[in-house]
Amino acid sequence: DGGITQSPKYLFRKEGQNVTLSCEQNLNHDAMYWYRQDPGQGLRLIYYSQIVNDFQKGDIAEGYSVSREKKESFPLTVTSAQKNPTAFYLCASSRGTAATNEKLFFGSGTQLSVL
Amino acid sequence: GQNIDQPTEMTATEGAIVQINCTYQTSGFNGLFWYQQHAGEAPTFLSYNVLDGLEEKGRFSSFLSRSKGYSYLLLKELQMKDSASYLCAVGPNYQLIWGAGTKLIIKP
Repeated sequence: DGGITQSPKYLFRKEGQNVTLSCEQNLNHDAMYWYRQDPGQGLRLIYYSQIVNDFQKGDIAEGYSVSREKKESFPLTVTSAQKNPTAFYLCASSRGTAATNEKLFFGSGTQLSVL
Repeated sequence: GQNIDQPTEMTATEGAIVQINCTYQTSGFNGLFWYQQHAGEAPTFLSYNVLDGLEEKGRFSSFLSRSKGYSYLLLKELQMKDSASYLCAVGPNYQLIWGAGTKLIIKP
């Protein structure tokens, strides 16, 4: 079955450490996105990518980095520069370009916490 | 500024009908989405409205009034599995504005 797989489900980060969240999709979607979800707030876009080797900053990109070396994969690195990384991270994909209104397909999320 | 408002929490009874409202103020409008999210899980797509009026899909319906910046999600014949958060978002995808979500609690 096609879908989006995020791993790990839970992740703990030590101070000063970079951590990478995995996101893989087999839906053959061009556009992929990373969101951060905090309690009581709407989803906030971190980065998005419309094609391989290209990605754009979202509203809260500071302290995060991404890569898009393959169409299927869009990993997110939370760097030590992100001082408040504790949140639920969601990866999503959609058909067409990010400028369209195609529905988003989400992964099951990664809960990141600081030790 | 741009923002979307939804009630934080609502409670309803199994078998009843509930209406979840969403008001938005955005610089542009390309369409409005509703997603369902069970606790700790991924959001899943429910509906999309781009024109005024009601879109019906089984037990769920969604309404849009662009002139009023208003939408609602109507859930009929509520089931316990409908206990979840309901997220309203205004597109396009690369600049979706999301509401904080409405937590719906279903009581027997």
